[in-house]
Amino acid sequence: QVQLQESGPGLVKPSETLSVICSVSGGSITSSYWSWIRQPPGKGLEWIGYSYYRGSTNYNPSLKSRVTISVDTSKNQFSLKLNSVTAADTAIYYCARVMRGSSFDYWGQGTLVTVSS
Amino acid sequence: DIQMTQSPSSLSASVGDRITITCQASQDISNYLNWYQQKPGKAPKLLIYDASKLETGVPSRFSGSGSGTDFTFTISSLQPEDIATYYCQQYDSLPFTFGPGTKVDI
Repeated sequence: QVQLQESGPGLVKPSETLSVICSVSGGSITSSYWSWIRQPPGKGLEWIGYSYYRGSTNYNPSLKSRVTISVDTSKNQFSLKLNSVTAADTAIYYCARVMRGSSFDYWGQGTLVTVSS
Repeated sequence: DIQMTQSPSSLSASVGDRITITCQASQDISNYLNWYQQKPGKAPKLLIYDASKLETGVPSRFSGSGSGTDFTFTISSLQPEDIATYYCQQYDSLPFTFGPGTKVDI
């Protein structure tokens, strides 16, 4: 059974870089694409992007200039970096496995990141 | 980007009721649609993929149908554990986009 677990800072200051890591257990990170999705408190879901261990990535154009998703095969982890954050980036950040190239079948429990000074 | 709309935005029903949620895409997405269930404080859970295929382990009271721009999601007999918000998601083209959600109450 694949399990995903996010770890993040909880609080980030405006204009700084948000960094969240997703640790994958129960399966190899080389077997799938991996994605980040976020949800502002009380609001809907926004796809951020996905990455494959060989380096191919695809990002939501709304965030593309600020986001990097990368995979670390040695640690079976993948990460999200979002720079120049503002209060609008306050959200629960979920990591998820991409199945069949299109469905998010395994999710982490989510980590709330608040952007505030 | 493909815009997804859902109706209703919320509904209240009784245990045993049949409920239907609709999802509409801003352009033809064939059957490239998923449905997710999100319970309060939890991550979303995949229920239906390819518009009508039931994910492994999901109860058969959940079903989906549709193609093109119009889709429906049905719970044939609502159970107390089905209290959640339901989202559709298209994967016809990037970026993947979600509907705004439908909150189901009892």
